This record gives sequence, structure tokens and C-alpha cells, in this order.
Amino acid sequence: DGGITQSPKYLFRKEGQNVTLSCEQNLNHDAMYWYRQDPGQGLRLIYYSQIVNDFQKGDIAEGYSVSREKKESFPLTVTSAQKNPTAFYLCASSIGKGQETQYFGPGTRLLVL
Amino acid sequence: GQSLEQPSEVTAVEGAIVQINCTYQTSGFYGLSWYQQHDGGAPTFLSYNALDGLEETGRFSSFLSRSDSYGYLLLQELQMKDSASYFCALDNYGQNFVFGPGTRLSVLP
Repeated sequence: DGGITQSPKYLFRKEGQNVTLSCEQNLNHDAMYWYRQDPGQGLRLIYYSQIVNDFQKGDIAEGYSVSREKKESFPLTVTSAQKNPTAFYLCASSIGKGQETQYFGPGTRLLVL
Repeated sequence: GQSLEQPSEVTAVEGAIVQINCTYQTSGFYGLSWYQQHDGGAPTFLSYNALDGLEETGRFSSFLSRSDSYGYLLLQELQMKDSASYFCALDNYGQNFVFGPGTRLSVLP
């Protein structure tokens, strides 16, 4: 079955620690996205990538970094510079420019110890 | 920039019809999408309006009026399982998507 996987489901971060959230898709989609969702809120765009080896900042990129070395993978690193990282992180993909449907992974819930 | 507004909460009874509105401000876009998200889950795609008018998909319909900067999602024959949050989202010329704050729908028996 094609889809998007995210791991881990829950992640705990200590003060000053960088953590990396995994996102993999086997849908052969060109575009991938990372969103942050706080309780009772909408989705805010962190980073997105339309093609391998290229990515753009979204509305809340500060304190985060990404890479897109392979079409199927788009990992997100939450750095120590992100002072309030506790949130639900969602990865999504779409076929590419002009395609209207985004497919979401199950999400990773990040908690700070 | 782009921004969207939705009512924060809507309540309806099982079997009823409910409309969730979405107003937006943007200089341009490809289309308006709707997503459903159950508590603790991931959003799932419901519908997309590229053109003005009504799109129907089973019990769900979505409407767009570009001249009024307005769209809505219409849910018919409400079921308990429709209790969820619903998000509208602007397709920013295929570059990315901008989501609204979401509307929490509660369906009562």
C-alpha cells in the first residue's frame, strides 16, 4: 500500500537537544511539506519542498531545518533554537505543482522534558 | 499574505444538514480545499474547488465564490462519525497551502 509514514509517534526532547522527525513516502510524489499544529489550532507551514535538493521556508521556519536528498524522504530537525517545540508535527505530500490533494502522515507528537 | 477565517465551533444533531463557512483574503490562488481531522489523527482530504460553484462528493459538498472571497462545506445526513475538525485551505498557486484555523463540528444524538 502506498502512503506516508512518520516516526516516531511520540518524541521527547531535552533542553538544548536537537531531534529529528522522520517522514517517508512511497507515493512517488514530488512535493513534501512539514506542518506544526498546536492544540485546538490550525496547521502552520514550517518548510516545503517541490523537488529533490530544493526546499523553501514556510511561515514558521525559525528553529527548524530540513533536507531533501531523496524524493521519498523529507526529515525535519527541531533544533535547540526552537524554544517552544511542544506540538503535533504533520508531514504531507502531493503530486506536485498545481495538484490539489495533500496526503498526510499520521504525525509525530513532540514533548519537552 | 493570505489569511482564512472559519467559525471556531458548530453543533448539529444527527441527520441534520450543516454548513461550515470559510472567508479568505488573498491576492490569488488556484483553488480552495477542505480537510477533515479527527482528534489525534491526521487531516484527510475531502474536496477541492478550482472553479466557482458547487462540487458534490456523496454526503459532502463544497462551494466557492471568488467574487465574494467565500466558500463553504456542506455536510448532509450528519452522522456521529462526522464529529471532527474541518479546515479550509488555499492552494497557493501550487507552491504550498495555507490553512484556516479550523471549525470543530460536534454532532449530537
